[in-house]
Amino acid sequence: DAKTTQPPSMDCAEGRAANLPCNHSTISGNEYVYWYRQIHSQGPQYIIHGLKNNETNEMASLIITEDRKSSTLILPHATLRDTAVYYCIVRVAPDSNYQLIWGAGTKLIIKP
Amino acid sequence: KAGVTQTPRYLIKTRGQQVTLSCSPISGHRSVSWYQQTPGQGLQFLFEYFSETQRNKGNFPGRFSGRQFSNSRSEMNVSTLELGDSALYLCASSLWGDTQYFGPGTRLTVL
Repeated sequence: DAKTTQPPSMDCAEGRAANLPCNHSTISGNEYVYWYRQIHSQGPQYIIHGLKNNETNEMASLIITEDRKSSTLILPHATLRDTAVYYCIVRVAPDSNYQLIWGAGTKLIIKP
Repeated sequence: KAGVTQTPRYLIKTRGQQVTLSCSPISGHRSVSWYQQTPGQGLQFLFEYFSETQRNKGNFPGRFSGRQFSNSRSEMNVSTLELGDSALYLCASSLWGDTQYFGPGTRLTVL
């Protein structure tokens, strides 16, 4: 079973920051938080991952709480092309399973 | 760098047939994972290969099999197709099992 909990859907206005929350209260010390997104019927796209420090790349920022029990993915200036299902996954990297366990994700709709 | 490629992109088969899907990983990546995505079950892990060896397998019947070649390209095979095998089949590559990068998928329809 997935070790994360995400809201099933969210709306955001175009041009605003989209903040997607994720709860992972049972995360272990050696587990990373990964974010992917999937635009309708395409392959999932890697966004960002982190262990305990906040991370930023050209796509997004990842904020992890100090106790690591939750995190927030931030898309700073959302566009219509950011409409997708966003998945938060926790995993050990590397681990002995080499698999990603997916939940239902958050369907983010960007509105003009 | 070219991304992960999967062929074919779309496939229609009938029950009882078998199918082979192909995946070419990102250059230099040695790990290839396969996932099945259906509306009812979401994304589920099938298996992972590294250097031609299967390192992990998901909870799928033996009709689902795979292999990896020395150039890291991978194939998965589904024999005796069932209607429930209709799905998007996704391949992901990584250097050694770390961050996985996905291909566009193969949409399989079983009639």
